[in-house]
Amino acid sequence: QVQLVQSGPEVKSPGASVKVSCKASGYTFSSSGVTWVRQAPGQGPEWMGWISAYEGNTNYAQKFQSRVTMTTDTSTSTAYMEMRSLKSDDTAVYYCARGKEWNYAFDIWGQGTMVTVSS
Amino acid sequence: DIQMTQSPSSVSASVGDRVTISCRASQDISRWLAWYQQKPGKAPNLLIYAATGLRDGVPSRFSGSGSGTDFTLTISSLQPEDFATYYCQQASSFPPSFGGGTKVDIK
Repeated sequence: QVQLVQSGPEVKSPGASVKVSCKASGYTFSSSGVTWVRQAPGQGPEWMGWISAYEGNTNYAQKFQSRVTMTTDTSTSTAYMEMRSLKSDDTAVYYCARGKEWNYAFDIWGQGTMVTVSS
Repeated sequence: DIQMTQSPSSVSASVGDRVTISCRASQDISRWLAWYQQKPGKAPNLLIYAATGLRDGVPSRFSGSGSGTDFTLTISSLQPEDFATYYCQQASSFPPSFGGGTKVDIK
């Protein structure tokens, strides 16, 4: 079936980096794009950015522009989101989701990856 | 950035009730609106796209309406599996943004 499977939980110290993976299956990965959304505890979702799996072009929310890099590996149908210079308020569940373009609805979601930033 | 405001923030209802959730955009977004359902510990699940489009497999008791700045998600007859938090999301203007959510719980 169509699914996105994300990597496991991470615990990082402030100032460190984290890289979350999102492996797609059940559809042609390169025919769509991947959006990343995060959700802090008890908060609503926050859109972070989108990457085209077929062209590799990206769109980032300004808030994350300087600290986040999104990439894809079409040979393994995997998307990656790397965040640098982590702060305590980056503690959240990070989701990948399928979206053909940045402004399409997100129809398939990964299970989420909990990233905890704590000293 | 476009701000999305949902109301109410929570609603208590019984099985069989009709539930209406509102979402207001800070500027005209035409019909570029989606609705998601999220249960505790799970990822959001797409219900409605383009304001009124029912995603395949979503029960017909869910419906969306509206355009411009005011939108509504209606659950015509609440079922036990519908107790969850609902979010609206605009995709008209970059960056996409979500509402604060409406929690539907058991009366």
